[in-house]
Amino acid sequence: AAGVIQSPRHLIKEKRETATLKCYPIPRHDTVYWYQQGPGQDPQFLISFYEKMQSDKGSIPDRFSAQQFSDYHSELNMSSLELGDSALYFCASSLPWFGPSSEQFFGPGTRLTVL
Amino acid sequence: DAKTTQPTSMDCAEGRAANLPCNHSTISGNEYVYWYRQIHSQGPQYIIHGLKNNETNEMASLIITEDRKSSTLILPHATLRDTAVYYCIVAAGANNLFFGTGTRLTVIP
Repeated sequence: AAGVIQSPRHLIKEKRETATLKCYPIPRHDTVYWYQQGPGQDPQFLISFYEKMQSDKGSIPDRFSAQQFSDYHSELNMSSLELGDSALYFCASSLPWFGPSSEQFFGPGTRLTVL
Repeated sequence: DAKTTQPTSMDCAEGRAANLPCNHSTISGNEYVYWYRQIHSQGPQYIIHGLKNNETNEMASLIITEDRKSSTLILPHATLRDTAVYYCIVAAGANNLFFGTGTRLTVIP
């Protein structure tokens, strides 16, 4: 079965650089979520999209932005990178969040290292 | 979202049942109990969810108390591959998940 695809899997950047993470949801899933997991921490919700519109926002820094495109893939753009942005970034997708109870399917994550 | 309370860690002998408790005393009427697990740095994996009835699937069973203030995830025959951090989350549908600390389950040979 198709799963959530994230690219790249690993990314190394310098401080103050920018990074773009991509997420391709499971076919027919129109809701996408982004999570950040720092070293030794639990995943923290950043932002979510439903039908190309932002549906909710969590602890996402102002330096980060995201969008969902017409083919439902999503991109997380990160600017002015800081050392503290080094983390695993997970994308998840689901059927409409407001529908019957449903689960989120997570991708393998992108490991971002800021030097 | 309602808060959940889970033990920090648990051990279980391989082949035995693992029973992971979760308290969610402030759960709302429209909130489900979800269980996810994360195996070392992999993406979290959905296990099971329920509203008020007990549920069972190929991975686990979920027992929810009648007052819905607590639940127990049961892995009937734990294997070494079940070693992971298990998260109990309450949410109204496929909503944004707020991960707490979770329970680190170690399955011992």
